[in-house]
Amino acid sequence: AQKITQTQPGMFVQEKEAVTLDCTYDTSDPSYGLFWYKQPSSGEMIFLIYQGSYDQQNATEGRYSLNFQKARKSANLVISASQLGDSAMYFCAMKRAGGGNKLTFGTGTQLKVEL
Amino acid sequence: EAQVTQNPRYLITVTGKKLTVTCSQNMNHEYMSWYRQDPGLGLRQIYYSMNVEVTDKGDVPEGYKVSRKEKRNFPLILESPSPNQTSLYFCARTSETSVPKADTQYFGPGTRLTVL
Repeated sequence: AQKITQTQPGMFVQEKEAVTLDCTYDTSDPSYGLFWYKQPSSGEMIFLIYQGSYDQQNATEGRYSLNFQKARKSANLVISASQLGDSAMYFCAMKRAGGGNKLTFGTGTQLKVEL
Repeated sequence: EAQVTQNPRYLITVTGKKLTVTCSQNMNHEYMSWYRQDPGLGLRQIYYSMNVEVTDKGDVPEGYKVSRKEKRNFPLILESPSPNQTSLYFCARTSETSVPKADTQYFGPGTRLTVL
């Protein structure tokens, strides 16, 4: 069975600083994908970034990067130069190859960006 | 613009009164899913569909039904809603663009359901 663990229920960061949101995962599948989603207070789920288990390089999308450490089974999200609009809930998720289109989610980290 | 639409966005109903939450996508994608989100539990998959007339259970299918009669629509049906089905529901479509973002799921805006 797959499991995603996000150990930080809440985080604070000052505007323009970088912040790392932790995500560890557990799977016995050799092929899988890791995703991060953002959920602002308005409720929608916004896809941020994807990392494949066989990808050699860490994924980056603008200010978002994924620190993928396969041996440690971690996939931390790094947000650089935080903005007030980054305040939201962030979810880490995993999908195994051929896994019936199911994403397994963590419980989320609430990020608050302060002036 | 690729979209997933859900209706209604908000619904308050009473126990036992059948309801349907509609989901529609405009990208002709084959895979679609339904999730529910509850505080402290993240999102959990209810059902998914791989194509027209092909559906399967996710992690929490009890009390729900789905149908996929055409590719663009994937309604979620609660035959006899109960208060423990009060939740935020998301429909998702799966992108079929090229690697490396294969299988990325894009979510609808959500439906907040309250069952009294």
